[in-house]
Amino acid sequence: GAVVSQHPSRVICKSGTSVKIECRSLDFQATTMFWYRQFPKQSLMLMATSNEGSKATYEQGVEKDKFLINHASLTLSTLTVTSAHPEDSSFYICSASLTSNRGYEQYFGPGTRLTVT
Amino acid sequence: LAKTTQPISMDSYEGQEVNITCSHNNIATNDYITWYQQFPSQGPRFIIQGYKTKVTNEVASLFIPADRKSSTLSLPRVSLSDTAVYYCLVGVYNTDKLIFGTGTRLQVFP
Repeated sequence: GAVVSQHPSRVICKSGTSVKIECRSLDFQATTMFWYRQFPKQSLMLMATSNEGSKATYEQGVEKDKFLINHASLTLSTLTVTSAHPEDSSFYICSASLTSNRGYEQYFGPGTRLTVT
Repeated sequence: LAKTTQPISMDSYEGQEVNITCSHNNIATNDYITWYQQFPSQGPRFIIQGYKTKVTNEVASLFIPADRKSSTLSLPRVSLSDTAVYYCLVGVYNTDKLIFGTGTRLQVFP
């Protein structure tokens, strides 16, 4: 159980275009979802916290107008990279929180590799 | 959120037990300790979570001393497929953020 999917798994786009990445919790409802970015050989960096039905909370230094987050339902959050540039090329990972009898856990999606040419 | 410190990398051989220690000197009373595993180009995978003493599941054990300023992830009899990056995180139970540190890159050799 507790599966999180992302679509697409990889995408290549041209500079200046926008790209939308979907994050879905497949077998549970997630009130809160998170978006991370990871550059090669580096750790995950939290970009924003997404709560269903409300505006996302962005971490310091993350441009909210560039990285648009929508969390329209308890099972779907989307990240749109607007006017993408080569420096936005990265591995984007989402996660969803779940409280179970094992405690509080975050389940991560498989990630989306974005390449901006 | 408490900052964590882990060794950057560790090497081991198949069949050995691997212990990865994480320091979190500023851990707060309500903080839990969680470990994740990440393979290249994949999202992190939950391994184990604990608050104090010892926790064991089907893949690992987590040892937490009384002062909770550190924790040790123990992987019994590692195999080549355990080669990955292991992250130690601390955070408040049932809260939002997980802040990832540098992680420990474990390399298992045959």
